[in-house]
Amino acid sequence: DIVMTQSPDSLAVSLGERTTINCKSSQTVFYSSNNKDHLAWFQQKPGQPPKLLISWASTRESGVPDRFSGSGSGTDFTLTISSLQAEDVAVYYCQQYYGPPFTFGGGTRLEIK
Amino acid sequence: QVQLQQSGPGLVKPSQTLSLTCAISGDSVSSNSAAWNWIRQSPSRGLEWLGRTYYRSKWFNDYAVSVKSRVIINPDTSKNQFSLQLKFVTPEDSAVYYCAGGVAVSGFGSWGQGILVTVSS
Repeated sequence: DIVMTQSPDSLAVSLGERTTINCKSSQTVFYSSNNKDHLAWFQQKPGQPPKLLISWASTRESGVPDRFSGSGSGTDFTLTISSLQAEDVAVYYCQQYYGPPFTFGGGTRLEIK
Repeated sequence: QVQLQQSGPGLVKPSQTLSLTCAISGDSVSSNSAAWNWIRQSPSRGLEWLGRTYYRSKWFNDYAVSVKSRVIINPDTSKNQFSLQLKFVTPEDSAVYYCAGGVAVSGFGSWGQGILVTVSS
């Protein structure tokens, strides 16, 4: 199985500041047949299901604010929030869909400092 | 836009079968481009994919090794829904269970509301 490792486990950031969350896969999730990285980012707020933010490592879903961006390829990926807003407090997960089995990272809890 | 509505009991006795249903609106369980997944979430296991069903001219299923001997995921084309059955449950199967599906991200673009299932006598 592909193991997804996120860092840090948690972080506290001031409003308006930039924040970065890292995700590393134990093997590549780049699929040469479609030339894409099969990596997604999700946001989960308390009592809610995960919400898809970014697919294909860097494609923002419709309606997701442009302060969210994804980057990386192969085994190393990053989710960046350019200017933290209060509503961004959540747990963030990366997921590989190169699988099956499809696997998730352990999550990064983001709080306001 | 795909919407998923989950239903099923929140309490199951040990050794019995956990059964959940996920009703689909905005897409078809028989879509040739969508997939339909079950995932669970617990503090000890995090987000754990359990399995999926999808139709590509015929029906296919994939299951996680951890539950493969106990799990069945079935489509129901007459009701446009899919179901999860997990047999011989133990307290370690207590979790919030989610369905997810659609075309995006191999069927993780839309999620149900989640159901907390507790395994206890």
